[in-house]
Amino acid sequence: DGGITQSPKYLFRKEGQNVTLSCEQNLNHDAMYWYRQDPGQGLRLIYYSQIVNDFQKGDIAEGYSVSREKKESFPLTVTSAQKNPTAFYLCASSFESPNEQFFGPGTRLTVL
Amino acid sequence: QKEVEQNSGPLSVPEGAIASLNCTYSDRGSQSFFWYRQYSGKSPELIMFIYSNGDKEDGRFTAQLNKASQYVSLLIRDSQPSDSATYLCAVATDSWGKFQFGAGTQVVVTP
Repeated sequence: DGGITQSPKYLFRKEGQNVTLSCEQNLNHDAMYWYRQDPGQGLRLIYYSQIVNDFQKGDIAEGYSVSREKKESFPLTVTSAQKNPTAFYLCASSFESPNEQFFGPGTRLTVL
Repeated sequence: QKEVEQNSGPLSVPEGAIASLNCTYSDRGSQSFFWYRQYSGKSPELIMFIYSNGDKEDGRFTAQLNKASQYVSLLIRDSQPSDSATYLCAVATDSWGKFQFGAGTQVVVTP
């Protein structure tokens, strides 16, 4: 089955810890994206990558880091510098054209 | 600041009726437009996309785009209880699909 997988589904972090969220796709998509969703709000772009070994900051990149060493994988690290990390994190991917984005199931991160 | 605006709702629709959702955007350079459905606690699911002015129909869903007025709408015909969800409007301004999302409209279909 082709699709996008994210793990873990739920993640709990203590104050001061870095955590890494996994995102893998087998759709052969070129571009991958990380979004954050807070209750009652739309999605906000954290980082995106159009090709391997290249990525760009989105609207809310502070406190986050990414890597794109393989086309299939785009992990997101939430660092201790992110002051309010509790949120629903969504990974998406797309071709350049057509550019519809398809989403993984999400990771819900809670800071204890 | 590029913005995508939607009424937050909830939009209450009787079963079998038409639900009409609207979305306005501020960037005149926007090229492609998307509607996603998101059930509570789940990730967004693509329903429709539209690139050209006019209507595009897919089953019970119709997307309408008016670039001159900078709005895109979604009609859901014969609304079913399973259509109860939050509908997100997304707008892309470049070919790589960097999206701006609206906050979503909650739709509640009542039996």
